[in-house]
Amino acid sequence: QKEVEQDPGPLSVPEGAIVSLNCTYSNSAFQYFMWYRQYSRKGPELLMYTYSSGNKEDGRFTAQVDKSSKYISLFIRDSQPSDSATYLCAMSADNQGGKLIFGQGTELSVKP
Amino acid sequence: NAGVMQNPRHLVRRRGQEARLRCSPMKGHSHVYWYRQLPEEGLKFMVYLQKENIIDESGMPKERFSAEFPKEGPSILRIQQVVRGDSAAYFCASSPGTVLEQYFGPGTRLTVT
Repeated sequence: QKEVEQDPGPLSVPEGAIVSLNCTYSNSAFQYFMWYRQYSRKGPELLMYTYSSGNKEDGRFTAQVDKSSKYISLFIRDSQPSDSATYLCAMSADNQGGKLIFGQGTELSVKP
Repeated sequence: NAGVMQNPRHLVRRRGQEARLRCSPMKGHSHVYWYRQLPEEGLKFMVYLQKENIIDESGMPKERFSAEFPKEGPSILRIQQVVRGDSAAYFCASSPGTVLEQYFGPGTRLTVT
């Protein structure tokens, strides 16, 4: 079993839709949670990060962490064609010295 | 503030040759991480370095791979005697010191022929 599971998609939605992206994990020691966006043949771009549980909002993006369920989510409101990319969740724990464990990534396509 | 820089962006090597990948972290960042992305796979951690020190190399293959981050100059990921299975995108990330803020470079795409 992988430490971090993420549905690879592809996920296709119409422009303006609310997108929900999710990851589950097995390591209860994870405390740091990040979401990255990666366009084709580019480097991952840090979107949001949270420490421990709770919600965090930044513009059209909201990140949620539910440690009791070992489940994290990224919501994108009013999705745009420019949001079409692969979204990667990443996690780490205090005893992992900065090493990020990534999900496989979900490919998102927002259709005009 | 320039982002993380990696060069070359594309590198072609024949089997048995050496590959050297360079990474210059963001200004003010003293922590460097290398990750590898194989086709159809996610990003996998390879090594974590601070200036002149390897902090964690648990993701590095035991043979042929090495990394350094000297006092002056970029971090180098070195792959000796490359094989076809080394073909991948190699990404460098830098951080000011917190695991939450790792910023990635554009990557080096290594092709072994």
